[in-house]
Amino acid sequence: DTEVTQTPKHLVMGMTNKKSLKCEQHMGHRAMYWYKQKAKKPPELMFVYSYEKLSINESVPSRFSPECPNSSLLNLHLHALQPEDSALYLCASSQPRTRYNEQFFGPGTRLTVL
Amino acid sequence: QQPVQSPQAVILREGEDAVINCSSSKALYSVHWYRQKHGEAPVFLMILLKGGEQKGHDKISASFNEKKQQSSLYLTASQLSYSGTYFCGTESNTGKLIFGQGTTLQVKP
Repeated sequence: DTEVTQTPKHLVMGMTNKKSLKCEQHMGHRAMYWYKQKAKKPPELMFVYSYEKLSINESVPSRFSPECPNSSLLNLHLHALQPEDSALYLCASSQPRTRYNEQFFGPGTRLTVL
Repeated sequence: QQPVQSPQAVILREGEDAVINCSSSKALYSVHWYRQKHGEAPVFLMILLKGGEQKGHDKISASFNEKKQQSSLYLTASQLSYSGTYFCGTESNTGKLIFGQGTTLQVKP
């Protein structure tokens, strides 16, 4: 199984809402990533979890809160977002500490903040 | 620092070849190539390591010049399915993948 799944596919939320994005992989990978992608732009790294520990936080605002409950799951908790946070949020996974650590991406959650 | 890709856009006829370039100002450990179709996830194509090793799809070829910190992706005998946006991602010693701005490829019948 080489699939990364993300839910929901689409999410519309107000600036005062609290919501969560979910990501799951069953490839036995021990690194998981959150990226943000604006239209016609490349993915931008937000967070990296390696062996269930947060290893990289790219100075992301605290209104985004990642969580890695276990090696297969990755959540992104959203609170008090701004309209400029509207984007495609991509999850990816890879196997760290290996020679080839290609990343496998999920289909993304398209987030709209009103 | 973000790698620079060229060209920004390419239009081809089926069967034609294309080369996409990726250049970095930093010393690199590896270069990754991905293709993203509109509304879909980026799909892994190729990874090239410092030292010459590489791994990827059989029908894709690429090169990595470590001294110049440059990589090129070679698309030969293009098919309609090759259309999409190609991103290179460069990895230095930080463990982070930084993507170039992308090259849009359109293959026409």
